[in-house]
Amino acid sequence: QVQLQESGPGLVKPSQTLSLTCTVSGGSISSGGYYWSWIRQHPGKGLEWIGYIYYSGSTYYNPSLKSRVTISVDTSKNQFSLKLSSVTAADTAVYYCARDSLASVRFDYWGQGTLVTVSS
Amino acid sequence: DIQMTQSPSSLSASVGDRVTITCQASQDISNYLNWYQQKPGKAPKLLIYDASNLETGVPSRFSGSGSGTDFTFTISSLQPEDIATYYCQQYDNLPRTFGPGTKVDIK
Repeated sequence: QVQLQESGPGLVKPSQTLSLTCTVSGGSISSGGYYWSWIRQHPGKGLEWIGYIYYSGSTYYNPSLKSRVTISVDTSKNQFSLKLSSVTAADTAVYYCARDSLASVRFDYWGQGTLVTVSS
Repeated sequence: DIQMTQSPSSLSASVGDRVTITCQASQDISNYLNWYQQKPGKAPKLLIYDASNLETGVPSRFSGSGSGTDFTFTISSLQPEDIATYYCQQYDNLPRTFGPGTKVDIK
């Protein structure tokens, strides 16, 4: 059974960089066939897809966040990571990592989510 | 970006009722649509993929239909454990986008 777990600071100061890691267990990121995505949810709001990475390192970012987002992968640790720079209070959200199946594109496994608050 | 709309934004129904949610895409997305259920404090859970395929392990009271721009999600007999917010999501074009959600509760 594939499991994803987000980790990282729950509090980030304005203008700093938000950094989160997603650790995948029960399956190898290097096996291919999946994109690995980050999705966020502002408090009480809907879901916003941030972007994805393939095990090879190829990425796609949501244009709405592209200038501030970097997603990277460490296949040796079976992890992928999110960096969001120059954060403001508007970046306060629950951040989820998810597996994005290529065979029939869907987010079939999700992490539990982690709340990141941007505040001084 | 492809914009997704859902209606209603919320609904109340009785246990055993048939519940229907609609999702509309701003352009033709064929059948490239998924449905998710999110309970409070939890991550979304995939229920339906490719507009009408039931994800493994999901109860058969959940179903989906549609293609093009108009889609429907149905709970044939509402159960207390179905209290949640339901989201549609398109994957025809990048970026992937979600509908605003429909909150379902018990009357």
